[in-house]
Amino acid sequence: DTEVTQTPKHLVMGMTNKKSLKCEQHMGHRAMYWYKQKAKKPPELMFVYSYEKLSINESVPSRFSPECPNSSLLNLHLHALQPEDSALYLCASSQGTGAVYGYTFGSGTRLTVV
Amino acid sequence: GQNIDQPTEMTATEGAIVQINCTYQTSGFNGLFWYQQHAGEAPTFLSYNVLDGLEEKGRFSSFLSRSKGYSYLLLKELQMKDSASYLCAVRGDTNAGKSTFGDGTTLTVKP
Repeated sequence: DTEVTQTPKHLVMGMTNKKSLKCEQHMGHRAMYWYKQKAKKPPELMFVYSYEKLSINESVPSRFSPECPNSSLLNLHLHALQPEDSALYLCASSQGTGAVYGYTFGSGTRLTVV
Repeated sequence: GQNIDQPTEMTATEGAIVQINCTYQTSGFNGLFWYQQHAGEAPTFLSYNVLDGLEEKGRFSSFLSRSKGYSYLLLKELQMKDSASYLCAVRGDTNAGKSTFGDGTTLTVKP
């Protein structure tokens, strides 16, 4: 299995809703990431988990809450989002956080906040 | 901080060779990555350079000069399916896994 699986692929939510994005990999990778990508822009890092511990939070608003239940799963809990949070949310994993490791990206969740 | 520059758009002909440049200014350097991203899809890893020189992988090659803060991605024997955005990403001065992406170069391959 060489994939990162993200669900759902598309999500529409209201500003008062609570929803969660899910990411799963079975490659034995010990680092997992959440990136946000707006249209025609590069991915921007949100969070890094290394060995199931949060190692980087790029000053992301608290309405985004990451969770890493085990080494294969990464969740992103969403609450009280704003329309400007609409974007493609990409999960990625790598063997470790060392420089030699490239990312394997999931296909993303396209989120629309109404 | 990190500053990564790439051309916004490039056009090339099927069967030709194209070089996509990337210049960077970072507070540290632990490697440079190239990713390919087709419209509406996730990025896919193409190459990694940390030492000066050329890394070749099939039709794709990537070059790095650390002293010049410069890299390029070379695509040979272009195919229509190579039309995509090509993202240069730099790993900075920590080993914390963070990569900062350039804005990407949109390559259009024409018949």
